[in-house]
Amino acid sequence: ELKVEQNPLFLSMQEGKNYTIYCNYSTTSDRLYWYRQDPGKSLESLFVLLSNGAVKQEGRLMASLDTKARLSTLHITAAVHDLSATYFCAVSDFGNEKLTFGTGTRLTIIP
Amino acid sequence: EPEVTQTPSHQVTQMGQEVILRCVPISNHLYFYWYRQILGQKVEFLVSFYNNEISEKSEIFDDQFSVERPDGSNFTLKIRSTKLEDSAMYFCASSAARHFSDDYGYTFGSGTRLTVV
Repeated sequence: ELKVEQNPLFLSMQEGKNYTIYCNYSTTSDRLYWYRQDPGKSLESLFVLLSNGAVKQEGRLMASLDTKARLSTLHITAAVHDLSATYFCAVSDFGNEKLTFGTGTRLTIIP
Repeated sequence: EPEVTQTPSHQVTQMGQEVILRCVPISNHLYFYWYRQILGQKVEFLVSFYNNEISEKSEIFDDQFSVERPDGSNFTLKIRSTKLEDSAMYFCASSAARHFSDDYGYTFGSGTRLTVV
């Protein structure tokens, strides 16, 4: 059974600081997603990572994938208040269409 | 940009009642899914649907649940006899044909908040 773990679960950081959220998964995967969720809202797709060494950046967020370590990171640069949300990673198993989600990281940016 | 549309956005129902949650997936997508998220918890897979049949289901998706694609556009989740623990946000999602590309288009709807009282 595919397991996906994120850490930290909660992250409170000041504006302007950098931080990284980690996503570990237990078996080989062909696709890793990062989603953002605002309270009571749906899941907004941020990144799709398909191959080892993939790196994608959008604004202050950068995601990377190391398939050998079964690890993805979401790096936040110079955080701003608008980035406050819960971030989920999700992984799809080879030959399988469903996504297995991590526990989520609730990020709070303090002015 | 194409969207997955869900209705209603919020439904309150009495325990034991049947509910039907509705979804309109993106028109050229072939795979359809339901997920749920209990308040404050992670998103959990319920069921996937392809070629007019269930392709995979989780342990949560027991005999009380069913899915249907009654016409060419709608995809529904029925809960036959709701329980208090069915209270959650239910998300529909759809994706294009499986291929190793960024253009896989796995898109979630805005969700239906189900409250069982």
